[in-house]
Amino acid sequence: KNQVEQSPQSLIILEGKNCTLQCNYTVSPFSNLRWYKQDTGRGPVSLTIMTFSENTKSNGRYTATLDADTKQSSLHITASQLSDSASYICVVSHTNAGKSTFGDGTTLTVKP
Amino acid sequence: KAGVTQTPRYLIKTRGQQVTLSCSPISGHRSVSWYQQTPGQGLQFLFEYFSETQRNKGNFPGRFSGRQFSNSRSEMNVSTLELGDSALYLCASSLVPTTDGYTFGSGTRLTVV
Repeated sequence: KNQVEQSPQSLIILEGKNCTLQCNYTVSPFSNLRWYKQDTGRGPVSLTIMTFSENTKSNGRYTATLDADTKQSSLHITASQLSDSASYICVVSHTNAGKSTFGDGTTLTVKP
Repeated sequence: KAGVTQTPRYLIKTRGQQVTLSCSPISGHRSVSWYQQTPGQGLQFLFEYFSETQRNKGNFPGRFSGRQFSNSRSEMNVSTLELGDSALYLCASSLVPTTDGYTFGSGTRLTVV
């Protein structure tokens, strides 16, 4: 069964600190992996998208890594800001078009 | 260009009623998918439409249905509402059914009382 597991479930950090969120998947065959940021009560917004051949992608203070051999991805947030408080969702797409598996997300809280 | 537009933003219904939610995709996008997100839960896939045809369907009861119009706008209908249907309903659009990513709307917050 295709699965996407995210850890930790929730995380609290102080403003200015760095953090790393994890995503492990069993989806196969694999097409791409995306990280989304979802503010409370809003729709998810795409942060990064990586294909099988890419192992790192940055978007400002967000850097995603991908190890397709171990089927693991991480999202690293540098110098966190209060506005980074949100849910971060990992989505892995199958090679079969239109099929994606969503992780349950990691809820990040950044405190002053 | 305008993003994905979902209406209404908020909705309160009573048990047993039915509801219709609307999604206007980004101009030129022909694929629309719907998701349910309950408090503390991940996104659950409902269905996906492309060129007015349902391509994929998630594991939801038949009370949940949808359709897509020739202009790619999509509607989702839930009949005989239950308290457990209270959720944020999200719509996402893409040019074609693709694994390259899609753009989400802000969602419709449905509360069933």
